[in-house]
Amino acid sequence: KAGVTQTPRYLIKTRGQQVTLSCSPISGHRSVSWYQQTPGQGLQFLFEYFSETQRNKGNFPGRFSGRQFSNSRSEMNVSTLELGDSALYLCASSPRGNTEAFFGQGTRLTVV
Amino acid sequence: DAKTTQPPSMDCAEGRAANLPCNHSTISGNEYVYWYRQIHSQGPQYIIHGLKNNETNEMASLIITEDRKSSTLILPHATLRDTAVYYCIVRVTPNSGGGADGLTFGKGTHLIIQP
Repeated sequence: KAGVTQTPRYLIKTRGQQVTLSCSPISGHRSVSWYQQTPGQGLQFLFEYFSETQRNKGNFPGRFSGRQFSNSRSEMNVSTLELGDSALYLCASSPRGNTEAFFGQGTRLTVV
Repeated sequence: DAKTTQPPSMDCAEGRAANLPCNHSTISGNEYVYWYRQIHSQGPQYIIHGLKNNETNEMASLIITEDRKSSTLILPHATLRDTAVYYCIVRVTPNSGGGADGLTFGKGTHLIIQP
């Protein structure tokens, strides 16, 4: 069974731009969650989608948004990038959400 | 989700059992104990979870005290590849039917396996 796939693996963007990251969950998994990891704040929950609906959201500004498609693939978008948005963005999938989560390798975003 | 307390770092000799403690004194009755680990520059990896009984799988064993206020993750024969940050997390029961709160990662324990 293929694992969680995140694309791209690395990305460099300029302050003020926007970025879209993609996540393909494990086949059959309907829940996709997104996390941000930085050296200072550690791993922080962004949001969770289940069956195309956002069920829960962490404490991040509205510049961070996401969506989920009917095939469970998910994208997250960050608009008006700031230097502090430089981080490893991780996606995790699980069958229903409140079960063990399987993480992808992450997308390393650098904002310059 | 309840808070957890873990030592910031631990060393263990290769081939020996690594015992990682976690304190979760405010755990609720419907909260499970989950363990994840993160090897440098990779996504976190699920290890094991349990409610009140001890659990074992191919990776590790989880021992939860009778009062459920603490637990220990045991890696029976540690190898160099087990060097990672280990996170102990408590969260609601998998079948609660409610919305999926995100995993709350603390700082974890940096386990270093010494050759």
